[in-house]
Amino acid sequence: DQQVKQNSPSLSVQEGRISILNCDYTNSMFDYFLWYKKYPAEGPTFLISISSIKDKNEDGRFTVFLNKSAKHLSLHIVPSQPGDSAVYFCAVIQGAQKLVFGQGTRLTINP
Amino acid sequence: EAGVAQSPRYKIIEKRQSVAFWCNPISGHATLYWYQQILGQGPKLLIQFQNNGVVDDSQLPKDRFSAERLKGVDSTLKIQPAKLEDSAVYLCASSLTGGLRTEAFFGQGTRLTVV
Repeated sequence: DQQVKQNSPSLSVQEGRISILNCDYTNSMFDYFLWYKKYPAEGPTFLISISSIKDKNEDGRFTVFLNKSAKHLSLHIVPSQPGDSAVYFCAVIQGAQKLVFGQGTRLTINP
Repeated sequence: EAGVAQSPRYKIIEKRQSVAFWCNPISGHATLYWYQQILGQGPKLLIQFQNNGVVDDSQLPKDRFSAERLKGVDSTLKIQPAKLEDSAVYLCASSLTGGLRTEAFFGQGTRLTVV
């Protein structure tokens, strides 16, 4: 039973354009959400997070939006750069700091 | 600040053999996680420790997998006997705890191939 879903396995975006990655979750009690980025042969690295008391959090080119009523969050990357090509995982923290991941979306930025 | 250290980076074993992975978390991080990531999937939590106590091991196949965290610091994950479907990357992560919502930091992982 997948509690965190990323329905797009892959996404291809032109350099300089906006990349939008989406994530849906099932439990309205989740209160903290994170995005991780993963390059091949490396562990995931933390990118940005958002608490359920907010609907937007911004860090440079990265912005995460949270829509609690729809149980949906998205990551926007503007402008997209070739180094952004990676697999992006959405994750939630539930209970006692339990970290649960989605399936991931492979983002490819084309020059 | 040193990151999460894992060893070995790669391991190839035959099915029915045993294997062990080691993890050294970031100093001061009370929470330690072991994840299994099968190719094309997201990381799946196997076990979560807080200090040297188990918080969650609901998805750990306990008939063949075991893990311990000695003195609340280093941890080992063991598989005995291994099956073909255990081929995956095993990721260790650590985080601060104490009721804070905070990110976890990951090691580079151990890629296990069972043949």
